[in-house]
Amino acid sequence: EVQLLESGGGLVQPGGSLRLSCAASGFTFSSYAMSWVRQAPGQGLEWVSSIFGGGRYTYYADSVKGRLTISRDNSKSTLFLQMNTLRAEDTAIYYCAKGAGENQLRPNYNSWGQGTLVTVSS
Amino acid sequence: QSALTQPSSASGSPGQSVTISCTGTSSDIGGYDFVSWYKQLPGKAPKLMIYEVTKRPSGVPDRFSGSKSGNTASLTVSGLQAEDEADYYCTSYVGSDKVLFGGGTKLTVL
Repeated sequence: EVQLLESGGGLVQPGGSLRLSCAASGFTFSSYAMSWVRQAPGQGLEWVSSIFGGGRYTYYADSVKGRLTISRDNSKSTLFLQMNTLRAEDTAIYYCAKGAGENQLRPNYNSWGQGTLVTVSS
Repeated sequence: QSALTQPSSASGSPGQSVTISCTGTSSDIGGYDFVSWYKQLPGKAPKLMIYEVTKRPSGVPDRFSGSKSGNTASLTVSGLQAEDEADYYCTSYVGSDKVLFGGGTKLTVL
């Protein structure tokens, strides 16, 4: 059974940093692209970033490019999101999601974690 | 790039069919067959219902179907059931290494 478990969320001041993790199990982690999708309180879903299976190729929404960095450790089946220079508008539940294949940006996310809440506030 | 356009709400009575639209442009929905649909219950993670416009993951009832015409994709729920009440989101690969979601549609079963 595929399981994705996010951690690392919390309260951070504007301009601060946070690192999210997503521990994966139940599938060959390196064989799948992984993504982060966020949802602001009471709002819709927003694609944040994706990374291909090998970890070399990364992709970002314009709203986070240059501030958020996606990475992965295939030896530990773990996905990361390093969040720097955080803004109030980054406040959201952050979900990690498993992609359809190793090197695809198709938004076929067939497994999701439960999400971790990031709150950016002074 | 703006979000894909969905109606904010849709409704139908049990047993009826409802169609939710997702409108983009020729550069996104019209240019790729990579549209997916997600169902989200309150406080829960989204669930994949349709991918690559028409494909249904295993376990998703065949009451759910997807289609696309030009720059508009659609999700049709036939034989509405109370358990279908949820928020539904479309999403698509939109080129230039980007993915966009729609704003979401709240489906109410009357």
